[in-house]
Amino acid sequence: KQEVTQIPAALSVPEGENLVLNCSFTDSAIYNLQWFRQDPGKGLTSLLLIQSSQREQTSGRLNASLDKSSGRSTLYIAASQPGDSATYLCAAPDPNTGFQKLVFGTGTRLLVSP
Amino acid sequence: DAGVIQSPRHEVTEMGQEVTLRCKPISGHDYLFWYRQTMMRGLELLIYFNNNVPIDDSGMPEDRFSAKMPNASFSTLKIQPSEPRDSAVYFCASSSGNNEQFFGPGTRLTVL
Repeated sequence: KQEVTQIPAALSVPEGENLVLNCSFTDSAIYNLQWFRQDPGKGLTSLLLIQSSQREQTSGRLNASLDKSSGRSTLYIAASQPGDSATYLCAAPDPNTGFQKLVFGTGTRLLVSP
Repeated sequence: DAGVIQSPRHEVTEMGQEVTLRCKPISGHDYLFWYRQTMMRGLELLIYFNNNVPIDDSGMPEDRFSAKMPNASFSTLKIQPSEPRDSAVYFCASSSGNNEQFFGPGTRLTVL
């Protein structure tokens, strides 16, 4: 069964810092991985979907990488801003139950201080 | 596109009452997912549909929960009878099959 872990659980940084959020997964027989953002009391917003063939995907100040061999993905946020404060979740498919079924990590709660 | 639409946004009910949550997926998406999020258990998949057919309902907690998708643009999640431990935020999501899921704003359910 796929298991997804995110480290750290919480992160507090001053505005302007570059930061890395980590995600690890146990079953590497996946062909993509998705990163989401969740603001308090809101739904999940899709940030990036990385295909295993791409290894990296970029959107604005966000860059996500995927290394299937090591079972890891990272989300890099450049020049962080207070508006980036949110919980970031990664989700990987569970190959054993069909690739449509996503398994979510518990998230990294990010606070960017002005 | 308006995105995934869920109603109601908030629901407060008393134990034993029937609760129906509604979802309209993004037009053209052929997968629909129902999730539940709590502080204790995080985000859990309850059931998902493909082309209106339930594919995996192994996450449905018990017989009190049921879900239907009568057509490509509408799905319901019903809890009957509701219990206080069902209090959570329920999300609906849809995808076009490339595995990128788009979530609705959620329904916050409180069962007293």
